[in-house]
Amino acid sequence: GEDVEQSLFLSVREGDSSVINCTYTDSSSTYLYWYKQEPGAGLQLLTYIFSNMDMKQDQRLTVLLNKKDKHLSLRIADTQTGDSAIYFCAESPAGGSARQLTFGSGTQLTVLP
Amino acid sequence: DVKVTQSSRYLVKRTGEKVFLECVQDMDHENMFWYRQDPGLGLRLIYFSYDVKMKEKGDIPEGYSVSREKKERFSLILESASTNQTSMYLCASSFRQGGLGEQYFGPGTRLTVT
Repeated sequence: GEDVEQSLFLSVREGDSSVINCTYTDSSSTYLYWYKQEPGAGLQLLTYIFSNMDMKQDQRLTVLLNKKDKHLSLRIADTQTGDSAIYFCAESPAGGSARQLTFGSGTQLTVLP
Repeated sequence: DVKVTQSSRYLVKRTGEKVFLECVQDMDHENMFWYRQDPGLGLRLIYFSYDVKMKEKGDIPEGYSVSREKKERFSLILESASTNQTSMYLCASSFRQGGLGEQYFGPGTRLTVT
């Protein structure tokens, strides 16, 4: 079945760049997503990338997609303490009656002062 | 703005009690989902629904049931709560077709079963 994997923890210093990595298995996914979950809250869509793109940039966020290796990454430039959160990658496998998403386990990003 | 609301933020129940978790969305989404979130395990899909009165099992449906009598409302039912159902429960909704297929999430209900 589909599987999405992420490392569980990442710590960076304020002002540095953060890179969160994700591997997925379903090569037919149309979109891949990054969600952010702040403490005590639900998930919010942070950004996404269409499967025929290699890169997408949105202000401090850069998403890189390597379809050959089924590898997705999220780079946050100039990381701030407000970026501390859990980041989930998700894929949208083909088929399914309700466009289910498969989520990774989430990466807890801690930004140190 | 899309709004997904959940009936409670925190809930404490006793083993064996029947528990109802309610979710309401205001964006006319066809799809609705219930997940549980546990540390290190990410989000696991319990049940989902793609239309009124339709429901399908997700990855971990055992011990749960659902009800979708109206398009905007999706309820998760724990028939007889057990301590291993202590978790964060997240509801989400999305359009069935078109757009990005992204899901919109509620704030979550942290359920403790003692």
